Amino acid sequence: DTAVSQTPKYLVTQMGNDKSIKCEQNLGHDTMYWYKQDSKKFLKIMFSYNNKELIINETVPNRFSPKSPDKAHLNLHINSLELGDSAVYFCASSQVPSGGYNEQFFGPGTRLTVL
Amino acid sequence: GQNIDQPTEMTATEGAIVQINCTYQTSGFNGLFWYQQHAGEAPTFLSYNVLDGLEEKGRFSSFLSRSKGYSYLLLKELQMKDSASYLCAVMDSNYQLIWGAGTKLIIKP
Repeated sequence: DTAVSQTPKYLVTQMGNDKSIKCEQNLGHDTMYWYKQDSKKFLKIMFSYNNKELIINETVPNRFSPKSPDKAHLNLHINSLELGDSAVYFCASSQVPSGGYNEQFFGPGTRLTVL
Repeated sequence: GQNIDQPTEMTATEGAIVQINCTYQTSGFNGLFWYQQHAGEAPTFLSYNVLDGLEEKGRFSSFLSRSKGYSYLLLKELQMKDSASYLCAVMDSNYQLIWGAGTKLIIKP
């Protein structure tokens, strides 16, 4: 049983295109996250959603927009893709947004390559 | 600014012991996490420390000193499958996880 799933696993596209990455968690968690991991392996938080409300929004370009139709899903939509967007994008979820123990469970990642 | 420092790469021998250090400077502290990430895979949780001292879990142990802003992950009886990156992350006062760049651990026979 997959806890956090993402689709697609690989995404190759041309500059200027618009694409979406989907994420679903079946853990019943309240909070979901999107991370970007670049070639230097830094994990950078992009967004998090708690009960359908955006609670963290790092200074990412507004070409990136998270969409959460319900508590179990947090999709990432990217407009006008640029070469620098090439990275691995991880979705994650956790039980509580703040306080105490807060283990995050990660999806398998989506490797995005912009040509 | 907030900063997490860990060595970029370490090499150890199968069956040996290795200690991976992490120092941090963050706005507040609500716990420190260690994650393991194999190449091409997602990070997976290893340990969580919020009080000073040593937490042991099988072959892996994690230590925390809040006054020194320091933690280490100790791996005993190293196996080839332990070859991976080990990520240190600190939860700050806003309950955001601040991630280190990770330490790539290479295990040699």
